[in-house]
Order: sequence, then C-alpha cells, then structure tokens
Amino acid sequence: QKEVEQDPGPLSVPEGAIVSLNCTYSNSAFQYFMWYRQYSRKGPELLMYTYSSGNKEDGRFTAQVDKSSKYISLFIRDSQPSDSATYLCAMSAGYGGSQGNLIFGKGTKLSVKP
Amino acid sequence: GAGVSQSPSNKVTEKGKDVELRCDPISGHTALYWYRQSLGQGLEFLIYFQGNSAPDKSGLPSDRFSAERTGGSVSTLTIQRTQQEDSAVYLCASSLTPGTGEKNIQYFGAGTRLSVL
Repeated sequence: QKEVEQDPGPLSVPEGAIVSLNCTYSNSAFQYFMWYRQYSRKGPELLMYTYSSGNKEDGRFTAQVDKSSKYISLFIRDSQPSDSATYLCAMSAGYGGSQGNLIFGKGTKLSVKP
Repeated sequence: GAGVSQSPSNKVTEKGKDVELRCDPISGHTALYWYRQSLGQGLEFLIYFQGNSAPDKSGLPSDRFSAERTGGSVSTLTIQRTQQEDSAVYLCASSLTPGTGEKNIQYFGAGTRLSVL
C-alpha cells in the first residue's frame, strides 16, 4: 500500500459545480497537509496548508483533514474553467530535516467545462 | 522577489551522457529540495539540503545521481551515464527554514523536463 493514495481521475465537471477531491494516507505521523495545483508544464503551486485536523477556508477553496480516518479533502465551490489542472495532495510528518520531506499523492486531473 | 528558478527548462540528451540541472532558490531560503515527477508516478523526493549540507539523500535512485549546493544558494543535480528511465521532470523546491508553521512551506520551480533518447 502506498503511503498516500489519490484517485488520478480524470474528473470532468461543468462550470459552477462543486468539486470534491480527496486523499487517504497510512502514516499516522503525518501532521502537515497541503494541496498543490499544477498546470500543464508548470511547477506545483501551493493552494492550501493545514496543520493537524480541522477545516480551513480560503475563498472558493476549503480543505478538510480528518486524522482519525486518515482522510483529507479539498472542495472547490463555483468551479471555473481556470481551475482545470492537476491537484496534488502532499503531507509530511514534521518540520525541517527529513521529516519535512513531502509525500505526494499521484494527483487528480480536473477539467471544468464551460 | 523572484520565485524558484530552474534551468534548463528542457533537456534532451543521449543515453550514456552526463547532465547537470540547476536550481536557484528563493533568496533567503535555507532549505532546498529536489523531486522527480515521472508519468504515472507522481512526485518522488530525491534529496534535501539545509544550507550546503545534505542530511537526507535517501531518495536518490542510484549512485549515478548526485547533488551539491554552494554558498547556501544555487544547487546542481547531476545525473551521470543517463538511462532512458531517467526521463522525467526534475523539480526543485525551497522553504524559508526548517521550522514550524508557514516557515516550512515549499515553493516549487517550473522544473526541468529531461528526455533521454
């Protein structure tokens, strides 16, 4: 079993839909959780950063972490064609050093149709 | 200031040749990471630098891979005797410092797309 599992999709939704992306993980030591967005032929850019369990909201984006279930989610409200990209979840056990190394999911490719 | 800069953006080489990939981190960032992104494999950690030292090289796939960082800034990833399976996008990231909270957020460059023929 991979440390981080993420459905690669592709996921296609109409403009304005609510998008739900998720990852599961096996390492209970993970406590920092991130979502990155990666456009084609570009580097990943950080969308959301969460420490431990709970919810975090930023504009149309909401990140949820449930450490008891080892499950994280990213919700995108009122999705736009510009949201079409690959979304990568990432997590780490600690800060700095080898514990700061990010473990990534394989990414979910999202397409928002006008 | 500028973000993480990587060069070249694309590199095509012949099997058996050596290649050097360069990463220029965000100014003032002390931590630097190299990752590899292969089709269908996601991002894989290669090596981590704190300053000029590399306390974690556990992700380097073989002894053909090496990296160095000088002046606490620019880093070079070298692949010797390239093989076709080395074809991937090599990504560099930097963070302000090993610390809690926002300080360990990693910012990525656009990557170097390596093709080994």
